[in-house]
Amino acid sequence: QQPVQSPQAVILREGEDAVINCSSSKALYSVHWYRQKHGEAPVFLMILLKGGEQKGHEKISASFNEKKQQSSLYLTASQLSYSGTYFCGTEERAGGTSYGKLTFGQGTILTVHP
Amino acid sequence: DGGITQSPKYLFRKEGQNVTLSCEQNLNHDAMYWYRQDPGQGLRLIYYSQIVNDFQKGDIAEGYSVSREKKESFPLTVTSAQKNPTAFYLCASSRIVRGEKLFFGSGTQLSVL
Repeated sequence: QQPVQSPQAVILREGEDAVINCSSSKALYSVHWYRQKHGEAPVFLMILLKGGEQKGHEKISASFNEKKQQSSLYLTASQLSYSGTYFCGTEERAGGTSYGKLTFGQGTILTVHP
Repeated sequence: DGGITQSPKYLFRKEGQNVTLSCEQNLNHDAMYWYRQDPGQGLRLIYYSQIVNDFQKGDIAEGYSVSREKKESFPLTVTSAQKNPTAFYLCASSRIVRGEKLFFGSGTQLSVL
């Protein structure tokens, strides 16, 4: 089952902040975040491996609540280049052939205006 | 430079025709994946392979077939049984390690004539 992302779309002005949420019904080992521009390959942003872990990447950071199987992506002081579709990908805690196999959310479209 | 290459970038299929999408990687990754992306939707897993000559069905395998004869190559065939093949197809690879990121190809847009 796909993780659920919210909101489905966000419109910002440059400099504003946004939060994108990702929620799963499965026990998770890791959560991955990617950004995709139209017609291009997804670009890796970060991986969260441990419950409660927070990681940062420039002005983009994320958290992972292992107990709730939820992750949030934080974009601060947004720039025009942040526009795109953001996907979370979840890796289940179960082992075996699920190693490395990601299930993606439906995506959140982020639009940043000047 | 190491990477993952998909071809062609655009592909057109006629009714009843099988078409094959190419995916090659030189990253020495054991795992390779095929995802389908429809407009406004996320990536859905079609097939994946963790070792040569072995592969597993993903969530939407019907109407597709794959092979893994070489570690570097994982071609996807969209068969005539796939009645709605128009989509953006992405190939990815990774090491078989927990929490490892996926490396994506640039994608193939498949359309029906």
